[in-house]
Amino acid sequence: KAGVTQTPRYLIKTRGQQVTLSCSPISGHRSVSWYQQTPGQGLQFLFEYFSETQRNKGNFPGRFSGRQFSNSRSEMNVSTLELGDSALYLCASSFEGGGYGYTFGSGTRLTVV
Amino acid sequence: DQQVKQNSPSLSVQEGRISILNCDYTNSMFDYFLWYKKYPAEGPTFLISISSIKDKNEDGRFTVFLNKSAKHLSLHIVPSQPGDSAVYFCAASARGYGGATNKLIFGTGTLLAVQP
Repeated sequence: KAGVTQTPRYLIKTRGQQVTLSCSPISGHRSVSWYQQTPGQGLQFLFEYFSETQRNKGNFPGRFSGRQFSNSRSEMNVSTLELGDSALYLCASSFEGGGYGYTFGSGTRLTVV
Repeated sequence: DQQVKQNSPSLSVQEGRISILNCDYTNSMFDYFLWYKKYPAEGPTFLISISSIKDKNEDGRFTVFLNKSAKHLSLHIVPSQPGDSAVYFCAASARGYGGATNKLIFGTGTLLAVQP
C-alpha cells in the first residue's frame, strides 16, 4: 500500500510569509501527527488530528495551525514565518494515533530566508 | 523541558562490533518506548519497541533494554553493519495514562556511524 505522502518536499519562503504543508496518510489511517525536526532539538510534537478533530497539541505558538479533512488528509499552516521556523516538518499517520503504529512521511524541508 | 534525552549526539563503531545507544527519560508515567531509525532525506522508520512490563525485547540484531528504576533504556545492535549508519531516535509515550490522547515524545537523536 502507498506510504505517507508529504508535499512539497522542499520549500523556500521569506520572513513574514505564510506556508501550507500537506500530508496524505496511509489509506484507512485516521490519525495524523505533525512534528518539527531541527538540529539539536530532535522531533518536537506540533499537534495530532484524529477524525478531523485536533486531539493533542504541543507547545508551539498560535502561528502554527493545522486541520484535517474528511478523507484524513491533513494540512499544517505557519503564518508570519520567522527564520527559526526553518526545519524539516514530518507527519506521521496511524490508525488509532496516540503513539501507536506511526508511519512517517519523508518530510517537507522548509527554509525561511 | 526535555523529557526524553539522548546525551550522545554521535557514536562511531567498527563493523562487526556492538553499538550501544542510550536514552534517559524523566517522566515516570511513560510506559511504552520505541526506537526509530532515520536516514537523511527520509522519515523515521520504526525499529523496535518495549513495554514497561518488560525489561528486554529482541528482534534479530536489535535488542532494547529497559531499566525502569534508572529511567534508562538502551538499544544494542550486534553485529553492527555499515548500513546501520543513521540517526537513531528514542521515543516514549504514556499509553496507560492518556489513552488515545497520548503523544509520542522523541529524544534529540544519536548519529551512528559504522566504519567498514
